[in-house]
Amino acid sequence: GQNIDQPTEMTATEGAIVQINCTYQTSGFNGLFWYQQHAGEAPTFLSYNVLDGLEEKGRFSSFLSRSKGYSYLLLKELQMKDSASYLCAVKRDDKIIFGKGTRLHILP
Amino acid sequence: DADVTQTPRNRITKTGKRIMLECSQTKGHDRMYWYRQDPGLGLRLIYYSFDVKDINKGEISDGYSVSRQAQAKFSLSLESAIPNQTALYFCATSDWARGTQYFGPGTRLLVL
Repeated sequence: GQNIDQPTEMTATEGAIVQINCTYQTSGFNGLFWYQQHAGEAPTFLSYNVLDGLEEKGRFSSFLSRSKGYSYLLLKELQMKDSASYLCAVKRDDKIIFGKGTRLHILP
Repeated sequence: DADVTQTPRNRITKTGKRIMLECSQTKGHDRMYWYRQDPGLGLRLIYYSFDVKDINKGEISDGYSVSRQAQAKFSLSLESAIPNQTALYFCATSDWARGTQYFGPGTRLLVL
């Protein structure tokens, strides 16, 4: 594949915080996306990082370190509706390459 | 109204049959994509098109063909369907600047 690695599954508790990590090969890197996908539905855009640092958007934040080939998605105040898969996607030249996704389970 | 639509939403076909999946968009984007999604394998790019006269193979184009009939329409064909083409197929569009992908609702295809 294109060497985008993220954990297959994670479990967290309602109201808690969870961090989903993504590592990738840095060659040709031109930006990183996070998408949310509920079972049987289309992926929907969450965030985009092209510069190092943290981007905050409500309960969701995304971090990027270009030199380390590393990003994470931070979800705060977890709700049951956050149960979904979270896809890390890297932009290389004009292509978007998706990781296999992390399935997040939320326990009440 | 949805910005990216796909037809059909579900399809069952037999091995050897030719089928076409259609995608239309009202976002005004030049760039369109076809992906397939399989459990444990994630989204994989089949074909992409940056404008009406531009068609490019993706990661897994064998067994598929595409047609970009207009800026708003991009269709995917399986010339002779086989069972391992059973999957969830997504069409997507993007702008040229950032490349954020906007996905259609998906077509669930079963090849018997």
